[in-house]
Parts: sequence; C-alpha cells; structure tokens
Amino acid sequence: AQTVTQSQPEMSVQEAETVTLSCTYDTSESDYYLFWYKQPPSRQMILVIRQEAYKQQNATENRFSVNFQKAAKSFSLKISDSQLGDAAMYFCAYMSNNNDMRFGAGTRLTVKP
Amino acid sequence: EAQVTQNPRYLITVTGKKLTVTCSQNMNHEYMSWYRQDPGLGLRQIYYSMNVEVTDKGDVPEGYKVSRKEKRNFPLILESPSPNQTSLYFCASSLRVSASLGYGYTFGSGTRLTVV
Repeated sequence: AQTVTQSQPEMSVQEAETVTLSCTYDTSESDYYLFWYKQPPSRQMILVIRQEAYKQQNATENRFSVNFQKAAKSFSLKISDSQLGDAAMYFCAYMSNNNDMRFGAGTRLTVKP
Repeated sequence: EAQVTQNPRYLITVTGKKLTVTCSQNMNHEYMSWYRQDPGLGLRQIYYSMNVEVTDKGDVPEGYKVSRKEKRNFPLILESPSPNQTSLYFCASSLRVSASLGYGYTFGSGTRLTVV
C-alpha cells in the first residue's frame, strides 16, 4: 500500500518570509495525484494545491507552489510571503486511480508576526 | 451549494451506547469514504464505498460499520463505542478518478467524538 511521510511535525515561519513543507511518498504506480490540504482551527479540510503525476510542470496557486520530484517521490510545498492566516495544519495526500487517498501525519505551521 | 453534510459536529457518549454519524452529499458522487484523524497519525481510512451497495474496509475498520443504501448517504455506525474510538471523524466524497481527473475529495466539516 502507498504511504505518505511528512517528516516535520512542526514548522515556524516569520510573517512575509518563505517556508517549505516536506512530503515524500512510496508507490509502485506511475499514474496518481498529489495534494496539499490545509486544516485551520475550524477543522475544515481546504484544498491548497494539486499535482498530476504525469505532468512535469510544478503546480502553482498564487503564493503556494510545489516542487514535484517524481523519481525521488518527493512533493514539497512552498509558501511565499507567509501570512498570519496561513497558520494551520498541513496534510500531504496521495490519490491513486481507484480513488484511494492516503495522508501524511501532518505539519503544524506557525506564523510569527 | 455543493457540499458534504456531516452531523453531529460534536458528540460525547458513554462506552457501549450505539451511535450513528450521518453523512450526505448533494454532488451525485459515486465514491464516499470515512476517515478518522488522530494526532501524529494523520487521517486514516475506516471504510469506503465505490457506489450504492458497494462498501469495503479501509485501514482501521474494527469497531465500525457503514451502509450505502442510497447514493447520497453514507452513515458511520459505532455499535459499541469504546474510549479508543475518541477521535475526529471526516466523511468525504468524490467522482471516480476517471470522471473527475483526480480533483480529490470534498470533505465534511468533521465530527469530534468523545467516548467516556
């Protein structure tokens, strides 16, 4: 079964600075999807960004971008110009073609004013 | 509004008292799933359903039951809750990957369950 590893339980960043959250995964599949979800204190799971494995180009959504390294099975999230509202738990997730989604343990991001 | 509605949002119960957490989606999604979230473990899948009357176990199914009699509803049943089932629960739904191009899940707002 696929596994997702987030090696940073907690991260901290100064407001307006850049932070990178790490994620690695293990799979034997060639076609899959990767996601970063944000979970603020409200508990809602909010999709931040997604990446199709067959696309070499890294996904970007405003201040959020990913570094997708398929051979290394790495999918890191970069948050630029960090804002206080970015403080949350962030989950990396892997989804296979049978809709099965696997999550990492999460990284709690603190943003310091 | 397209959404997954999950109830209740908070629930405190006693050991052994049967309970049901409801989940309903209005997006005509075939796929539905239940997860539990625990600190340091992320979200782990309990059960999932590929379509009506088709359900299967996830990674942590012990102590849980589900049913999928209608496409929109996917209730989670704890017939004899125990304290180790104290957790945050999420229901999620999606189209099949072939139809959705892998756009992932829509999540409910979560149910915080405490079993004492």
